[in-house]
Order: sequence, then C-alpha cells, then structure tokens
Amino acid sequence: QVGLVESGGGVVQPGTSLRLSCAASGFPFSNHGIHWVRQSPGKGLEWVAVIWYNGNDKYEADSVKGRFTISRDNSRNLAFLHMDSLRADDTAIYYCARDITSAMTGTLDLWGQGTLVIVSS
Amino acid sequence: SLLAQPPAASGTPGQRVTISCSGTTSNMGHNAVNWYHQLPGTAPKLLVYNNNQRPSGVPDRFSGSKSGTSASLAISGLQSEDEADYYCAVWDVSLNGVIFGGGTKLTVL
Repeated sequence: QVGLVESGGGVVQPGTSLRLSCAASGFPFSNHGIHWVRQSPGKGLEWVAVIWYNGNDKYEADSVKGRFTISRDNSRNLAFLHMDSLRADDTAIYYCARDITSAMTGTLDLWGQGTLVIVSS
Repeated sequence: SLLAQPPAASGTPGQRVTISCSGTTSNMGHNAVNWYHQLPGTAPKLLVYNNNQRPSGVPDRFSGSKSGTSASLAISGLQSEDEADYYCAVWDVSLNGVIFGGGTKLTVL
C-alpha cells in the first residue's frame, strides 16, 4: 500500500523542541524528494521544507530557517522534521508529502494524513 | 508571499466554475502550476499538475491552464462533492521553495 504516515506531534511549551517523523511505504522512497507542509487552524497551506532524494540538498522556508531541520534515512524509509525554539505560531497540522520526482519540482503527488503540533504554555 | 486567489467561489450543480491564481515572474513565470484540493477534515490531494495534467483517477471535469503569470482551474459539471478548498502552487526559483495560494473555498449551492 502506497502511503505516508506522520507521527510525533503533540502539545509542547514555547521554546522547546520536537521531532516529527514521516514513514513511507509502497514505493521507492529513495527516488523522491520529500516536503513538509503545515496548516495552522482554519488557515491555508504553508510550505515548510524540502529534502532531495539523496539528502544532499535541502531548503527551508524563511519562517522556520535556523529553527527547523529536515533530514531523511533512506535505509529506513523515513523522513524527519526536527523543530527547535518552537513558538505559538508554529501550531499547525504538519503534513509530509512526496515530490513527484527525485528533485524539487514542488509537485506533491502523495500526502500523509498529518500530525498536529500545538505550542502552548 | 502567496499566490493570489479569490477567497471564495460558488456555483450550482452542473455549472462550470473557474478559480484564478496569479503570481510573479520568479515563480509562475518560470515553473508550472499545480492545483490541490482539500475536502473538509482531510489532507490535500494533487488535482492538476504541470499546468494542465491530471493524475490518474482525477475526472476530466477538472482542467487547468496557465498563461504568463496567471493560471486558472476550471470545474465543469459541478457536483456537491466538489465542495472543498482549492489551492494553486508553484516552485519559486528565488525562494527555493513552494509558494501556495491563499486558497479558494468552493461552495456548491
């Protein structure tokens, strides 16, 4: 079964860290770029980060640069989003999504169901 | 920054509706436009990619087009299950990231 499953969300205090995981199945994970996209409650989609198929290239949105780090482990079909210095405005559903190619076309053809992160004191 | 979309659109069953999306030369001027739809309480899904291509399983009632720095999504034969949020998106070469539109909430009257 082709799919992506996120995990690791929860309720955390401002200033703390959290690591999200994205588990892939049913397709050659190492052939695709992986993105993280978030959606604040009642708001639109915001792109967060992308990592190339082999992990050699990665980019983050300005809103998370220096605080969030994207990584992947192709041997375990996993992608990660490590989030530091969390703020209230990071509260959102975080989706991982597959790029249609090995690089970064920005065409996201497969999405996970999302994991909710709430940053609150 | 966001691509510009109307916040809302509506139509009656059977009608044809279009949703517009406009960007800049650094994003839409250089790359193809993708469209996603998001049913209430679910994850987004790819609806149209590379300006006008449909993934397998997407009905041909959905069609996309692009000209310069503007794009549009057309939905013909509107159905009640088309009621959703619709987002356009492109890869922005200057930001090295995906830019989404603000989303259009489609209501089927």
